[in-house]
Amino acid sequence: GAVVSQHPSRVICKSGTSVKIECRSLDFQATTMFWYRQFPKQSLMLMATSNEGSKATYEQGVEKDKFLINHASLTLSTLTVTSAHPEDSSFYICSATGWDLTDTQYFGPGTRLTVL
Amino acid sequence: AQSVTQPDIHITVSEGASLELRCNYSYGATPYLFWYVQSPGQGLQLLLKYFSGDTLVQGIKGFEAEFKRSQSSFNLRKPSVHWSDAAEYFCAVVPTGANNLFFGTGTRLTVIP
Repeated sequence: GAVVSQHPSRVICKSGTSVKIECRSLDFQATTMFWYRQFPKQSLMLMATSNEGSKATYEQGVEKDKFLINHASLTLSTLTVTSAHPEDSSFYICSATGWDLTDTQYFGPGTRLTVL
Repeated sequence: AQSVTQPDIHITVSEGASLELRCNYSYGATPYLFWYVQSPGQGLQLLLKYFSGDTLVQGIKGFEAEFKRSQSSFNLRKPSVHWSDAAEYFCAVVPTGANNLFFGTGTRLTVIP
């Protein structure tokens, strides 16, 4: 149980384009989803927290207009990187928690974004 | 300052040897404590967690961790390491009253034959 998927697993895009990453909870209702960014050989950096049906809460220093987060249902959250630039290239990981998951976050497999 | 510390950046052990990965936290009240493992290019998998009760916690893949309040530690152990255990290990906490995970910097485990 508590499986989280992400799609796509890997994406390459041109500078200036937008990319959407999906995060789905497959076998539970995700009341809260989290988006992280991970640079090579580093720990995870929390970007934002989203509750279903509410606006996301962004961490300090994260541009909300650049990283659009939508959590429209209890099983799906999306992260859209708008007008992507090479410095946005990174590994993006989502996690989710739900009512019955006792404060435990379950992570997706991650999405490798490369901006050319 | 509140923090999660993993003092070992990289550990190398021989296959079959025992393993201990260190984690210390600095929070006023005992937070919820977690260990996650990340294989290259993958997401994080939960190994085990501690909320309360028995201070020795059993997890998946033969891992265990012991919570020691007096030392503010939550070290991860495995009696006999397998080559497939080579990965990055993250200690993480959820402070009391929060719902965000705060991660340590990670420990990379290399297993040699």
